[in-house]
Amino acid sequence: DTGVSQDPRHKITKRGQNVTFRCDPISEHNRLYWYRQTLGQGPEFLTYFQNEAQLEKSRLLSDRFSAERPKGSFSTLEIQRTEQGDSAMYLCASSLGLRDYSEETQYFGPGTRLLVL
Amino acid sequence: GESVGLHLPTLSVQEGDNSIINCAYSNSASDYFIWYKQESGKGPQFIIDIRSNMDKRQGQRVTVLLNKTVKHLSLQIAATQPGDSAVYFCAENKGGYQKVTFGTGTKLQVIP
Repeated sequence: DTGVSQDPRHKITKRGQNVTFRCDPISEHNRLYWYRQTLGQGPEFLTYFQNEAQLEKSRLLSDRFSAERPKGSFSTLEIQRTEQGDSAMYLCASSLGLRDYSEETQYFGPGTRLLVL
Repeated sequence: GESVGLHLPTLSVQEGDNSIINCAYSNSASDYFIWYKQESGKGPQFIIDIRSNMDKRQGQRVTVLLNKTVKHLSLQIAATQPGDSAVYFCAENKGGYQKVTFGTGTKLQVIP
């Protein structure tokens, strides 16, 4: 257990429905990241926050996806009008945010497995 | 739980033997490299990291070797145990950016 928690762990939804996932990072970590992982692949970066500011978004993050971190602590990732191609594991990670950009260890949560029917 | 190891290169080793997992990275500008272990149904777990100004780093039963000339990274696991069975990902961080780019992963199977 890394200290990063995600809720729910599993979500089954019908195509067209909206879903929201929550991530609680390690408490003293300033940076929070979202990744998506499909079967047989490594995680792919979606977006990242420094405190409450969303500083980078991947082109994978279509306009149906939105992420927030309103108080610089927990974060939510919402997918609107879900599609079958959204089925994946959504991983959250956090890092301390005090060191040089290139030396940050990211600690991952257990992920939320989404299945869109 | 679901498998994250479908269609991945697989390395099978006998319990007690040493394992070597290799990774080729793509960006010569990357200056920080990480190995993660991912068990079925879990998120990636940090194992060991190395900066680009180093060529070797050792941890508990693990060693990472970095060859910048050929952009190659390896993870050596000594005295492999059944609990080491997982998918192993190398990852690179391109200096100045927080995005970590993961490789495709290698599935390690330990034969008791």
